[in-house]
Amino acid sequence: QQQVKQSPQSLIVQKGGISIINCAYENTAFDYFPWYQQFPGKGPALLIAIRPDVSEKKEGRFTISFNKSAKQFSLHIMDSQPGDSATYFCAARLKAAGNKLTFGGGTRVLVKP
Amino acid sequence: NAGVMQNPRHLVRRRGQEARLRCSPMKGHSHVYWYRQLPEEGLKFMVYLQKENIIDESGMPKERFSAEFPKEGPSILRIQQVVRGDSAAYFCASSPSSQSAHEQYFGPGTRLTVT
Repeated sequence: QQQVKQSPQSLIVQKGGISIINCAYENTAFDYFPWYQQFPGKGPALLIAIRPDVSEKKEGRFTISFNKSAKQFSLHIMDSQPGDSATYFCAARLKAAGNKLTFGGGTRVLVKP
Repeated sequence: NAGVMQNPRHLVRRRGQEARLRCSPMKGHSHVYWYRQLPEEGLKFMVYLQKENIIDESGMPKERFSAEFPKEGPSILRIQQVVRGDSAAYFCASSPSSQSAHEQYFGPGTRLTVT
């Protein structure tokens, strides 16, 4: 029940295209869903986050869509750029479990110029 | 405002030695989390600490691993008698002591290699 499943494992997209990463969870007690971006050799950087009472959140080229009934959420990267090439992790927080984050397995995104 | 700082960035230890990983949270943050990342995998929660208290250590191996966050100084993750399977990247994250405690900011990590 603590798992967060992320797909696809890797993604290749042309410059200017849309990258879509999906995550699914089981535990309905999760109350906060952040996305992190990680470049090789670096720590994860908080990108954007959403709460389950919101269906969509947009920040610049990054949009989270949230489907509470399906227990799924996704990250869309619009107008993908080569600089977006990185590994993206979805996560979910269980406040009752002390704020710890449960991470998905990650998606390696490559944006080709 | 400096971000989360971790040192050393790279650490090589022989099997059986001790590894000490240090984490200084962002200024004003009093919550610290440690995560471990194996190659090509996601991050796995290890332990959550506030100043002088361990709040949740459900992700810590029962033996050889310990963590502390003293009143003064950085948080320390200590691994005794390291084995090859401990080779991983260890990340520390911090969050403020407020309603925004869910926003965790990560350090650059310590990459531990056990030879």
